Amino acid sequence: GDSVTQMEGPVTLSEEAFLTINCTYTATGYPSLFWYVQYPGEGLQLLLKATKADDKGSNKGFEATYRKETTSFHLEKGSVQVSDSAVYFCALSDDAGGTSYGKLTFGQGTILTVHP
Amino acid sequence: SAVISQKPSRDICQRGTSLTIQCQVDSQVTMMFWYRQQPGQSLTLIATANQGSEATYESGFVIDKFPISRPNLTFSTLTVSNMSPEDSSIYLCSAGGKRGAGELFFGEGSRLTVL
Repeated sequence: GDSVTQMEGPVTLSEEAFLTINCTYTATGYPSLFWYVQYPGEGLQLLLKATKADDKGSNKGFEATYRKETTSFHLEKGSVQVSDSAVYFCALSDDAGGTSYGKLTFGQGTILTVHP
Repeated sequence: SAVISQKPSRDICQRGTSLTIQCQVDSQVTMMFWYRQQPGQSLTLIATANQGSEATYESGFVIDKFPISRPNLTFSTLTVSNMSPEDSSIYLCSAGGKRGAGELFFGEGSRLTVL
């Protein structure tokens, strides 16, 4: 079945450092890929997405490129801020055949803490 | 986008009791989903709530334990029945309406602690 694997955390960085959170996936079809973020005390929010190979999703300075050849969707940001401290989830939606209508499979989440 | 409200936001429950979580969406959505997030773990899909038909449960989850209602296109409930400490989790409601887009919107979750 489908699965998503994220790099183990937690990740602790200083402000303005470069961030990479690795994400790889296994899927039977051609999935859409997502990064969700959960800020302290808040619900999950979509950060960015990519729906086909070589697409790059971007938002709030974060980027991730859909790499079909390496089945990866790594999250990057060039200069993190304290306000980026949150839990980040990689996820996929495999709508092959229309049987997984909107259903998401999540990675285990990565806790990011950014210090001033 | 959709705004999703859940209640209760948190509760402390006694073993053997049941609790119903309500989920309200501010717009009509085709699909609603219930996820569980156990402490320190990722989100696991419990079931898909379909309007006008029975919910579709994932492997490891059964209707007797997690009965779901979906009376209309903006509302759903999840009941956690006969609770045990292992049911202590955050339960999240989510909604998505666009076939194939995959994007889901989430409520803030209901944090249940079972003693």
